[in-house]
Amino acid sequence: DVKVTQSSRYLVKRTGEKVFLECVQDMDHENMFWYRQDPGLGLRLIYFSYDVKMKEKGDIPEGYSVSREKKERFSLILESASTNQTSMYLCASSLRPGDYSKETQYFGPGTRLLVL
Amino acid sequence: AQSVSQHNHHVILSEAASLELGCNYSYGGTVNLFWYVQYPGQHLQLLLKYFSGDPLVKGIKGFEAEFIKSKFSFNLRKPSVQWSDTAEYFCAVSHGGSQGNLIFGKGTKLSVKP
Repeated sequence: DVKVTQSSRYLVKRTGEKVFLECVQDMDHENMFWYRQDPGLGLRLIYFSYDVKMKEKGDIPEGYSVSREKKERFSLILESASTNQTSMYLCASSLRPGDYSKETQYFGPGTRLLVL
Repeated sequence: AQSVSQHNHHVILSEAASLELGCNYSYGGTVNLFWYVQYPGQHLQLLLKYFSGDPLVKGIKGFEAEFIKSKFSFNLRKPSVQWSDTAEYFCAVSHGGSQGNLIFGKGTKLSVKP
């Protein structure tokens, strides 16, 4: 079974703090994704990465950055946390074969972040 | 821009009732269609997916979905729901030029009364 783990289930931070959310997958997947999930808005893509040191902006990258130094690990960074970044953050991974648009994404349990 | 619409925000059913959750997408080309489910306190997981072929797709736990190209729809169905189907359901779309990215709908919360 694919396993995607996230470093924290719950996190409380103060406005202006730098926040790191870590995600690790154990299936040698090339693609990794960060989403935020908000009630009534569904999942929105923040950033994704298709290879080590590669990153692409998703739909809502403002206020976030990412890092992928190793294939299995994808970090989401909030440079200066703000209250509007209070949300559930989901990490996912998938294979990248020839037609990767067909691949299932496997999700982690999520990190619920509260910014005070 | 591509988008996915899920018509119902919250659906409440009694056990044994039939379920149909609507999903429409906007993209003119060939698409791949997915339904994901999130049970309370659990990971988001794949329910079923469609790429090509028979437009009626069967997934886990007795769910199925029908792709109707002319209507840009991919509705999820189950003939008889159980209390354990209480969850949030997300429709998602990708296409060949999307780098594997999924566009998700806003989700439909299903509550099944025992």
